[in-house]
Amino acid sequence: DTAVSQTPKYLVTQMGNDKSIKCEQNLGHDTMYWYKQDSKKFLKIMFSYNNKELIINETVPNRFSPKSPDKAHLNLHINSLELGDSAVYFCASSRGNSPLHFGNGTRLTVT
Amino acid sequence: KQEVTQIPAALSVPEGENLVLNCSFTDSAIYNLQWFRQDPGKGLTSLLLIQSSQREQTSGRLNASLDKSSGRSTLYIAASQPGDSATYLCAVSSGAGSYQLTFGKGTKLSVIP
Repeated sequence: DTAVSQTPKYLVTQMGNDKSIKCEQNLGHDTMYWYKQDSKKFLKIMFSYNNKELIINETVPNRFSPKSPDKAHLNLHINSLELGDSAVYFCASSRGNSPLHFGNGTRLTVT
Repeated sequence: KQEVTQIPAALSVPEGENLVLNCSFTDSAIYNLQWFRQDPGKGLTSLLLIQSSQREQTSGRLNASLDKSSGRSTLYIAASQPGDSATYLCAVSSGAGSYQLTFGKGTKLSVIP
């Protein structure tokens, strides 16, 4: 019944590795997002994607890339992980101007 | 650049009290304003969404108001309960759709039984 699900919930990895976080929504929404919540709890948009357009926050390093195999999935790939990438990453989805529905987050720790 | 500020950063109240959480934003050209709740280790849950043309929205014990011209919103919680303990975040959208959401840092609410 989970509307927006993301895996894994926790991810611990070493600097320089490449990792992916998966996200799926079963709400029939047309737009999906990735947000980053840093250690100070600030939540910031990283990407917004629907079947027509990918919008990238210009502050996001190009080591981060979203991949959408279909409308219900938006995965996040991260190359060459750095210590500063440690954060909680949230997937979300919406339809039109409806409120966002968030996943439970993936806590990424880079050592 | 839009900035969203929430005051106070933390609030502790006894059960049963009515309370108000404050949100202010610097650019009044917003599309809508949303209030979310975040529980520890969980994602955000949308509570109320106010379109820029509206002045308030109500859901159960929650009432959110919007004064766009002054750049302010309040979230009123009536008859608070321990289950209301969470972090409450305010977010404003500067364009159509939810992409251009700017979040505040949140107010951490503790309701003491």
